[in-house]
Amino acid sequence: AQKVTQAQTEISVVEKEDVTLDCVYETRDTTYYLFWYKQPPSGELVFLIRRNSFDEQNEISGRYSWNFQKSTSSFNFTITASQVVDSAVYFCALSDLNFGNEKLTFGTGTRLTIIP
Amino acid sequence: GAGVSQSPRYKVAKRGQDVALRCDPISGHVSLFWYQQALGQGPEFLTYFQNEAQLDKSGLPSDRFFAERPEGSVSTLKIQRTQQEDSAVYLCASSPPGLAGNEQFFGPGTRLTVL
Repeated sequence: AQKVTQAQTEISVVEKEDVTLDCVYETRDTTYYLFWYKQPPSGELVFLIRRNSFDEQNEISGRYSWNFQKSTSSFNFTITASQVVDSAVYFCALSDLNFGNEKLTFGTGTRLTIIP
Repeated sequence: GAGVSQSPRYKVAKRGQDVALRCDPISGHVSLFWYQQALGQGPEFLTYFQNEAQLDKSGLPSDRFFAERPEGSVSTLKIQRTQQEDSAVYLCASSPPGLAGNEQFFGPGTRLTVL
């Protein structure tokens, strides 16, 4: 069975600080996809990034970066120079490469609060 | 732009009532998913459609839950004889055809409260 663990329930940092959100996953599949979604107070899940299991390159997008390490089954997310607008709940999710049904298994989320 | 829409946004039901939740996916999206999100938790998979075919309903918690997508577009999630434990946000997501690992586009959800 697939499982995603986000051990950090809540994190608070002062604006402009860097913050890393941890994600550890379990799967018996050799091919799979990992995702990060943001859920602001409005409630709608917003896609941030997708990474497949064959691509371990780290990725940077503006102030966001992701560190995928297969050896430790982790897919961590770092926000550099945090801003108040980054306050939200962040979910890590996993889907196997099952064409036609790529249901997501989500972690329990990390609530990030950026203090002005 | 036309994203995924869901209605109603909020629903209050008395225990034992039946409810119907609607999802309008993005036009052309073949895959449609329903998830249930309890307070303080991550979304949990309920069921999956590819066009009008319900290919996976393994996440439906009981036979009181029923979903349909008769014409391969709009989908309805129906809950019969609602119970307090059904209180949650119900999220619908759709994804386009084509490559594997497509992102899922989520609607705003329907918050169901069962009294």
